Amino acid sequence: ETGVTQSPTHLIKTRGQQVTLRCSSQSGHNTVSWYQQALGQGPQFIFQYYREEENGRGNFPPRFSGLQFPNYSSELNVNALELDDSALYLCASSPGQRRTDTQYFGPGTRLTVL
Amino acid sequence: QKEVEQDPGPLSVPEGAIVSLNCTYSNSAFQYFMWYRQYSRKGPELLMYTYSSGNKEDGRFTAQVDKSSKYISLFIRDSQPSDSATYLCAMGERDRDDKIIFGKGTRLHILP
Repeated sequence: ETGVTQSPTHLIKTRGQQVTLRCSSQSGHNTVSWYQQALGQGPQFIFQYYREEENGRGNFPPRFSGLQFPNYSSELNVNALELDDSALYLCASSPGQRRTDTQYFGPGTRLTVL
Repeated sequence: QKEVEQDPGPLSVPEGAIVSLNCTYSNSAFQYFMWYRQYSRKGPELLMYTYSSGNKEDGRFTAQVDKSSKYISLFIRDSQPSDSATYLCAMGERDRDDKIIFGKGTRLHILP
């Protein structure tokens, strides 16, 4: 176990709704990254937070947003859900500041958009 | 051409065999190379992390990087049914954007 937890495990939403996914990083890990993994694909980087500030973003629209809190928890918010948002959402925490440092992944939240 | 190419499999091998998993890449700026194992309904778990050409060994696992050919491999010796999983390669470059790209993953089945 990596010590990184995510909630909920599964979620079903309808198109147009909003969703909040949660992650709890390992204590002492100041960096958290979020990834989207579609079925049969590798994880795609959404964004990264370091000490509560966003410090990197992949090719995802602004309706994907996040927050990181001082207690090593973080959130991924997705507005105006689309069918293509159906995927496994992974958070990964790291003791370092860079994405190329060792990352520890949580088990993911599987989101289904109908 | 995609930045990272990985055969999705599935790859089925008998227990005890040597497994060879491979990725190719096109971006010569990649400096860091990783292999992750992902069991069904779980998050990826880091297996190997290398940043230079050559071999790195950890137990039954050996990671090989050939930067001149833009080719990386993961070898699993004495494969076990518990090795059945999806194996993801990932590559990164330490520039301003700190980009990391994952392959699609190869599904591996070890047959008892």
